[in-house]
Amino acid sequence: GQQVMQIPQYQHVQEGEDFTTYCNSSTTLSNIQWYKQRPGGHPVFLIQLVKSGEVKKQKRLTFQFGEAKKNSSLHITATQTTDVGTYFCAGLSNYQLIWGAGTKLIIKP
Amino acid sequence: NAGVMQNPRHLVRRRGQEARLRCSPMKGHSHVYWYRQLPEEGLKFMVYLQKENIIDESGMPKERFSAEFPKEGPSILRIQQVVRGDSAAYFCASSNTGTSVSYNEQFFGPGTRLTVL
Repeated sequence: GQQVMQIPQYQHVQEGEDFTTYCNSSTTLSNIQWYKQRPGGHPVFLIQLVKSGEVKKQKRLTFQFGEAKKNSSLHITATQTTDVGTYFCAGLSNYQLIWGAGTKLIIKP
Repeated sequence: NAGVMQNPRHLVRRRGQEARLRCSPMKGHSHVYWYRQLPEEGLKFMVYLQKENIIDESGMPKERFSAEFPKEGPSILRIQQVVRGDSAAYFCASSNTGTSVSYNEQFFGPGTRLTVL
C-alpha cells in the first residue's frame, strides 16, 4: 500500500543546533502537510506545500517539497526549547492522507 | 469560535465493556477523521466520515470498532468489548473540505485517553 516514511524517529540536539526531518513517499503526492504535536498535546497544523519544488519559511522553520513531489523536509534553525515535540508529515495521495510516523525532537539538557 | 471538542477527555473501562468516544467538529466542518495513537508512537488513521457517510474506513479494525457521524450531533467512535490493547489516545480531527480538494487542513481535538483495566 501507499506509505510515507519519515526519518529519523528521534533526534537529540543541543539547544541552538539545527534539526531536520525527512519524509519520503512511495507515490507522487498531491500535497504534503506538516503538523507539530507537543508532549501531552494534540497535533497542530503548521503548513501545506502543493507545488513541485516549493519552499516555504516560517521564522526558523523551512519546509521543502521535492521536485518529483515524493519527498519533503522540515528544517529548524537554531532550535529552542519551545520547538520540543513530535513533527509529523502527511501526504495526500489518491484522496487519502497518509501520515508519517513522526520525528521526535528532544533538546539535550 | 470553539475548536474541535472531544469528550470525555479520559475514559477508564474494564475489559469487555463498551467505550463510546464523542467528537464535535469545528463549526461549519462536515468532514471528520479519527486517529489512534499509542504511547510514544505516531498517529494511525482509522476512519474518515462526512455527514451520515463513511468515506474511508480502511484503518479501522473490522471487529468491535464502529464509527458514525449523524446528521445531527457529534461523531461517535464506538469500541465494543474493549481489550487492554485498545488503551491509547484517540484523536478526532475535522476539516471544512475533504481530501478530494487540494487544501484540507485538519484541526485536531484534545483527544480522549482510553485506559482499559
